[in-house]
Amino acid sequence: EAGVAQSPRYKIIEKRQSVAFWCNPISGHATLYWYQQILGQGPKLLIQFQNNGVVDDSQLPKDRFSAERLKGVDSTLKIQPAKLEDSAVYLCASSLTPDRGQTQYFGPGTRLLVL
Amino acid sequence: AQKVTQAQTEISVVEKEDVTLDCVYETRDTTYYLFWYKQPPSGELVFLIRRNSFDEQNEISGRYSWNFQKSTSSFNFTITASQVVDSAVYFCALHGSSNTGKLIFGQGTTLQVKP
Repeated sequence: EAGVAQSPRYKIIEKRQSVAFWCNPISGHATLYWYQQILGQGPKLLIQFQNNGVVDDSQLPKDRFSAERLKGVDSTLKIQPAKLEDSAVYLCASSLTPDRGQTQYFGPGTRLLVL
Repeated sequence: AQKVTQAQTEISVVEKEDVTLDCVYETRDTTYYLFWYKQPPSGELVFLIRRNSFDEQNEISGRYSWNFQKSTSSFNFTITASQVVDSAVYFCALHGSSNTGKLIFGQGTTLQVKP
């Protein structure tokens, strides 16, 4: 079974530029998560989707971050404009259902460096 | 508030030594789930184990074992006869029933196993 796919794996941009990340979850997984992991810290949830609806985006900086999951399968996370503090690894995860305690499976992440 | 504390930032051992990674959690939920993930240098978070709050039985999987104690709010992870391939960052995470689905991660413990 294929795991969670993410692209690109690495991205370097100048501050104030825009960037987009793509995620394809495990086939059949209804719930998709985007986490931000700053160097030396644990991942923090940015947004959670159930199918194509948003369940939790309370930690998403909505003035610059946006995400969508059209058709309830793959998802795109965008940053516009980027700031230096956005340098981090962006991890996508998926779970079979949104039920409590479901195991989340993570992709390889996208490492973003903002100069 | 929910919180996970991994007090050990870095641990260094010599191959074949046993090592225990500590995890202490805080939650007011009576139903919750605890997880351990491994993050090798490649960056992907690899799921190791899930435990719910009603199952305090310790678990062993090969060289890995987990000790869950509700009385001390701890969920410690022991690697027996460590190997160089065990070198990675290990994260403990909590999902409380009052959460939508997000995992609360600790800061992570970097384990270095020297040959």
